[in-house]
Amino acid sequence: AQTVTQSQPEMSVQEAETVTLSCTYDTSESDYYLFWYKQPPSRQMILVIRQEAYKQQNATENRFSVNFQKAAKSFSLKISDSQLGDAAMYFCAYRSEGTPLVFGKGTRLSVIA
Amino acid sequence: DTEVTQTPKHLVMGMTNKKSLKCEQHMGHRAMYWYKQKAKKPPELMFVYSYEKLSINESVPSRFSPECPNSSLLNLHLHALQPEDSALYLCASSQGLQVPWYGYTFGSGTRLTVV
Repeated sequence: AQTVTQSQPEMSVQEAETVTLSCTYDTSESDYYLFWYKQPPSRQMILVIRQEAYKQQNATENRFSVNFQKAAKSFSLKISDSQLGDAAMYFCAYRSEGTPLVFGKGTRLSVIA
Repeated sequence: DTEVTQTPKHLVMGMTNKKSLKCEQHMGHRAMYWYKQKAKKPPELMFVYSYEKLSINESVPSRFSPECPNSSLLNLHLHALQPEDSALYLCASSQGLQVPWYGYTFGSGTRLTVV
């Protein structure tokens, strides 16, 4: 069974600084997809960024980028120029064909003004 | 329309009540999901509907009963709930179980309190 591990229950970052959230996963599949979701206090889960396992190039979406290390089964999220609105729970998630999303336990990010 | 709409946003119910949660999407997605989320925890998958058929039946108590009247609608019927069932209930949709690239679109959830 696939598992997703987020080892940092809480993180904090100063406004305008950079922070990296860690995620590791375990799977025997060769083709799969990885996601980072953000859940602010408003509750709605918002897709931040996604990565296909076959693509070696790391995904980037504006201030958000990932460091995907397939051999190490690692998928970290880097947030640059952190803003107060980035404060939220961040969930790493895994999915392969025919299966629902598998979530990690989440990392609570605080942004300090 | 790129949204998943959930109603109601908040619900307080007694342990003997019967209520329903509703979820609707008009993105043409063919898979819909119910998740239960406790505070500071990740969402836990309850049910999956793929092409209007229940394709994964989790070991969820029978006091929760899902219904998928058509490809755009998903209901969760609640009956004789317990206080420990109080949680945020999230609905999500996706293109289909066989199309994992697109991830899910989530609704904003129903905050359920059982008294």
